[in-house]
Amino acid sequence: ETGVTQTPRHLVMGMTNKKSLKCEQHLGHNAMYWYKQSAKKPLELMFVYNFKEQTENNSVPSRFSPECPNSSHLFLHLHTLQPEDSALYLCASSQQQGEGEKLFFGSGTQLSVL
Amino acid sequence: QKEVEQNSGPLSVPEGAIASLNCTYSDRGSQSFFWYRQYSGKSPELIMFIYSNGDKEDGRFTAQLNKASQYVSLLIRDSQPSDSATYLCAVDGSNYKLTFGKGTLLTVNP
Repeated sequence: ETGVTQTPRHLVMGMTNKKSLKCEQHLGHNAMYWYKQSAKKPLELMFVYNFKEQTENNSVPSRFSPECPNSSHLFLHLHTLQPEDSALYLCASSQQQGEGEKLFFGSGTQLSVL
Repeated sequence: QKEVEQNSGPLSVPEGAIASLNCTYSDRGSQSFFWYRQYSGKSPELIMFIYSNGDKEDGRFTAQLNKASQYVSLLIRDSQPSDSATYLCAVDGSNYKLTFGKGTLLTVNP
């Protein structure tokens, strides 16, 4: 495995379901991110983890719960989502070097909330 | 509110022409600037980054930065149909936080 891998690629869930998105990076990076991409909107940063410590929570609703057990793995736990949460969720990693963040993205999870 | 503005397009150019993609940003303190390419149904891929005023060239791609005008651009020379994609401009902020534009859809016609 190389790069940043995300599972599942597609997810359909009801508003009462609980599901989790998984991300793993094989690049030796120390930072991991969750982004949300909706149609006609810019990429929205949700969470940042640096050396598995959360350094950013961009006012994300509590129905999204991140978990970062180590520098290589990142999860996004989902519960009681709303239809407007349907979007592409992208995981990314970077090696924070203080000169701007070069992000490497996973293939994303296309989420549909019914 | 830090903003990054791009024309949404679509920008249509013939094969072999120069495609010019533009981006403006609001945060004067920004130091790092990135261009990502996103093919339809795929995730963004970093293609260029620039930190200093002036031009930076990499193959057919040239990034141009003018911090005084808060303007960054991407030129693609000898455009190919395979360059057809959405191009995202991203600007750094504080605490490892990038602000992205909405992207410009580029179509290169054979």
